[in-house]
Amino acid sequence: AQKITQTQPGMFVQEKEAVTLDCTYDTSDQSYGLFWYKQPSSGEMIFLIYQGSYDEQNATEGRYSLNFQKARKSANLVISASQLGDSAMYFCAMREDKFGNEKLTFGTGTRLTIIP
Amino acid sequence: NAGVTQTPKFQVLKTGQSMTLQCAQDMNHEYMSWYRQDPGMGLRLIHYSVGAGITDQGEVPNGYNVSRSTTEDFPLRLLSAAPSQTSVYFCASSYVASGEQETQYFGPGTRLLVL
Repeated sequence: AQKITQTQPGMFVQEKEAVTLDCTYDTSDQSYGLFWYKQPSSGEMIFLIYQGSYDEQNATEGRYSLNFQKARKSANLVISASQLGDSAMYFCAMREDKFGNEKLTFGTGTRLTIIP
Repeated sequence: NAGVTQTPKFQVLKTGQSMTLQCAQDMNHEYMSWYRQDPGMGLRLIHYSVGAGITDQGEVPNGYNVSRSTTEDFPLRLLSAAPSQTSVYFCASSYVASGEQETQYFGPGTRLLVL
């Protein structure tokens, strides 16, 4: 069963607008972690933000915030004031908390294009 | 501090050839892993290691072999390359530390083409 679902294959957003990238997940664990990564055209995987399942507040990192809705099992990434450099693939990933488990399960990604 | 390094960056193989993708990290991380990325798909876990001398299979282990003799190095071996193994390969490392924000540090990737 697919554990991470990203339903938006591609998005086009006007520069300076805010954008929300959707991510839903499926797990029976009570303890887990959610990650967002950015992959620009150069190919490297860049860590953006992390949310633990027990964190009561939504994670924020600069222009990135994670809209964590535990009951809905969603972990949407919000980018405020988008910039041309935000054009990239974005991947949501989940780590299920088991001892010694640092394995990430990735979604299929969303390609974000920022329009000048 | 170089982070996670991978060599080579690009490789072309013929079907049936074997090769080793190198991965090294200088952060003293316990956990290392190998992923492959195919078009239209996210990264999929091939093998992982929770420490020197300990390895285990991930989601797509067939056709690959790993070993972890040191904390720093985690090579991935293709035993007999097949066109289906054409992909981009990423190595990652992380540490397990309670109470701290976690992340996995990824290498720059190796693009492999099997003809």
